[in-house]
Amino acid sequence: GENVEQHPSTLSVQEGDSAVIKCTYSDSASNYFPWYKQELGKGPQLIIDIRSNVGEKKDQRIAVTLNKTAKHFSLHITETQPEDSAVYFCSREGGSYIPTFGRGTSLIVHP
Amino acid sequence: EPEVTQTPSHQVTQMGQEVILRCVPISNHLYFYWYRQILGQKVEFLVSFYNNEISEKSEIFDDQFSVERPDGSNFTLKIRSTKLEDSAMYFCASSSGTGDEKLFFGSGTQLSVL
Repeated sequence: GENVEQHPSTLSVQEGDSAVIKCTYSDSASNYFPWYKQELGKGPQLIIDIRSNVGEKKDQRIAVTLNKTAKHFSLHITETQPEDSAVYFCSREGGSYIPTFGRGTSLIVHP
Repeated sequence: EPEVTQTPSHQVTQMGQEVILRCVPISNHLYFYWYRQILGQKVEFLVSFYNNEISEKSEIFDDQFSVERPDGSNFTLKIRSTKLEDSAMYFCASSSGTGDEKLFFGSGTQLSVL
């Protein structure tokens, strides 16, 4: 099946710093790449997504970039705040494979 | 804001027992999903459901699992004979199916098999 590699597994930053999480995939037919934030005891919540016809998308402090040639996409969070602390999952859909998630990145923002 | 609701939030059962996890997807959504997450691990796809039938399922979704949409609002996951390794958080999700693949997840049911 399709695999999504996500790095790092844990990311610790100081408040105000930037955080970057990266994912790679192998199915070139993948065409939709959402990012989810999961807070303790809750279900994943979509925070931003990008489609394969776009290279970058930004929503306030978060942005996602997509490199289709290299088959990787990244989540960027600027000016991090303690409330950004959560587990973040990348995902991909499209092509012949079922929706798949990365293993998650635990982001810790220290005040 | 509309949301996906799941009941119960916690379910404890004995090995070999049947469990039914319940979900109420967002009312105008057409695609429904079950995912599971074993503690500390990634979210894993189980099954997707559209037009009253399974559209895709993963290797995890074996003969012990079944899904049903018994009425116009509920979407259920049944595990016929639970095993210890079925212990996980089970998430229901739905999407509109109108060309927008955005998934909306419920808060999950924590299943503990003893």
